[in-house]
Amino acid sequence: QQQVKQSPQSLIVQKGGISIINCAYENTAFDYFPWYQQFPGKGPALLIAIRPDVSEKKEGRFTISFNKSAKQFSLHIMDSQPGDSATYFCAAGSGGSNYKLTFGKGTLLTVNP
Amino acid sequence: DAGVTQSPTHLIKTRGQQVTLRCSPKSGHDTVSWYQQALGQGPQFIFQYYEEEERQRGNFPDRFSGHQFPNYSSELNVNALLLGDSALYLCASSPTGYTQYFGPGTRLTVL
Repeated sequence: QQQVKQSPQSLIVQKGGISIINCAYENTAFDYFPWYQQFPGKGPALLIAIRPDVSEKKEGRFTISFNKSAKQFSLHIMDSQPGDSATYFCAAGSGGSNYKLTFGKGTLLTVNP
Repeated sequence: DAGVTQSPTHLIKTRGQQVTLRCSPKSGHDTVSWYQQALGQGPQFIFQYYEEEERQRGNFPDRFSGHQFPNYSSELNVNALLLGDSALYLCASSPTGYTQYFGPGTRLTVL
């Protein structure tokens, strides 16, 4: 059973555009939602994370929007750059399970110059 | 400040063999988690170590085992390797299990 569903599987955006990746979860015990960026041959790097007590968190060009009632959260990348081309993973964890992370299947983002 | 380090970078084994992967956490981090990432998939949680004990385990068979040392470094052992064990093995460290920082991974190929 896939507990975190991520879409789209791939995304192509023009330089300067907005990239939007969506995730939905099922387990209401989740209380921590990070996003990771992964380049080929590298480990995932933490981008930004949110807790369910806020609806939005912004760090630079990256924003997480969180909808607790819909059990959905999304990553927005503003002014997308070719260097943002990577695979992005959403994840979810809970304190009750010692923050073991459950990941989505990933979104391959390509930003064209 | 060094990040999470893993060794070796790449490893090739044959079916039935055993393998040991190593991880050193970020300074000040006492919790180590291991994940398996198959090609084109998201990481899958294997287990988590804290205070030298396995604190949480994912849906992986007993062929996967681990250890954490007093200096918080950790090992992942896989016995009786199968072709399906070919993957990128990721170690993540965190202060008491919260925000997890990943290492570069060990690419295991089973022939």
